[in-house]
Amino acid sequence: ETGVTQTPRHLVMGMTNKKSLKCEQHLGHNAMYWYKQSAKKPLELMFVYNFKEQTENNSVPSRFSPECPNSSHLFLHLHTLQPEDSALYLCASSQDSRPQHFGDGTRLSIL
Amino acid sequence: QKEVEQNSGPLSVPEGAIASLNCTYSDRGSQSFFWYRQYSGKSPELIMFIYSNGDKEDGRFTAQLNKASQYVSLLIRDSQPSDSATYLCAVTSGAGSYQLTFGKGTKLSVIP
Repeated sequence: ETGVTQTPRHLVMGMTNKKSLKCEQHLGHNAMYWYKQSAKKPLELMFVYNFKEQTENNSVPSRFSPECPNSSHLFLHLHTLQPEDSALYLCASSQDSRPQHFGDGTRLSIL
Repeated sequence: QKEVEQNSGPLSVPEGAIASLNCTYSDRGSQSFFWYRQYSGKSPELIMFIYSNGDKEDGRFTAQLNKASQYVSLLIRDSQPSDSATYLCAVTSGAGSYQLTFGKGTKLSVIP
């Protein structure tokens, strides 16, 4: 079992669809993160959860809705996305502010 | 706006040579510094972290930090074709900060 598991690996959706990305970490960490990685741009931090409480929201549009039911699971609910939201979405976890470990990501394409 | 700058490359080095990757950051209060390696189509993988001025060595990798110059570098000795990847520099601000700011990455190509 890998440390941080993301599903699905690939997702194609229309702009009116609703879908969810899932992340699970098996490292016993207390913090979990969502990042967006687009071509030619740096990794962008979207959300941070610490002990399942949201501590950072970096001006992310409301069409992205995170959910963290416990320290091991993190979801990103998607609805009415735009073509510019097509990107690689990465989940990461860490113990406190120690180095973050990434999952393999979900490649999202918006039609 | 906190920024992390890296030369996008590509940086090409022959096999067996030393690859030198550089990163500058704008926030003088930055405390922790990380290097991640990302192969094409894969997720970032942590390879080094450094918190104090000076050098930190781990196998073929050496991280160098100079807080006065706001500069961090990664040296890869005896470069191998398998080292060909994009290297991401990341920085956190303040003690105990959870927020990582990434550079765009430098693409390294090791030529056999």
